[in-house]
Amino acid sequence: QKEVEQNSGPLSVPEGAIASLNCTYSDRVSQSFFWYRQYSGKSPELIMSIYSNGDKEDGRFTAQLNKASQYVSLLIRDSQPSDSATYLCAVRKGGSEKLVFGKGMKLTVNP
Amino acid sequence: DVKVTQSSRYLVKRTGEKVFLECVQDMDHENMFWYRQDPGLGLRLIYFSYDVKMKEKGDIPEGYSVSREKKERFSLILESASTNQTSMYLCASRTGGQETQYFGPGTRLLVL
Repeated sequence: QKEVEQNSGPLSVPEGAIASLNCTYSDRVSQSFFWYRQYSGKSPELIMSIYSNGDKEDGRFTAQLNKASQYVSLLIRDSQPSDSATYLCAVRKGGSEKLVFGKGMKLTVNP
Repeated sequence: DVKVTQSSRYLVKRTGEKVFLECVQDMDHENMFWYRQDPGLGLRLIYFSYDVKMKEKGDIPEGYSVSREKKERFSLILESASTNQTSMYLCASRTGGQETQYFGPGTRLLVL
């Protein structure tokens, strides 16, 4: 099993819908979880981080973490065409400076 | 604003050439990272450095070396470029007390 796995995608949703992006991780000692957004031809930028079980909301974005199931997700409410990008899940183990990235999921929001 | 810059956006080299990719950050970050990004394979860590003159291998260090002589600068060296090193190379930096990792704009390297 890969350390960080994301659904293969791509994902296409209509404008205004909820986009749901999922990620599982294999190492139970993982402590920090991140979602990066990467527009085509650009570098990744951090949009959400989450460290404890439950939900964390920031505007239209909600990150959800379930450590028992080793699962982290990103919900984008009221999706906009400007949300069209590749979303990367990243995980950091406690005591390590390294981030392990998933392969990414391409999201397209159709007007 | 944190700024991470990379020396070139696009680079074309010949097989066997020695290639230097430079990364500079202006926020006094301790940690710096080199990744390569390939379609279908995602972001893979090549090397990282947590202090001047300190380095650690990432997941795919073969064929690469790094140098960190100053805190703000982290160089990736391809000793003898090969066609399978054609890729997008991304540098990143982060300070030890923060979780946000900042990426540079990337260098797209083509090895012919």
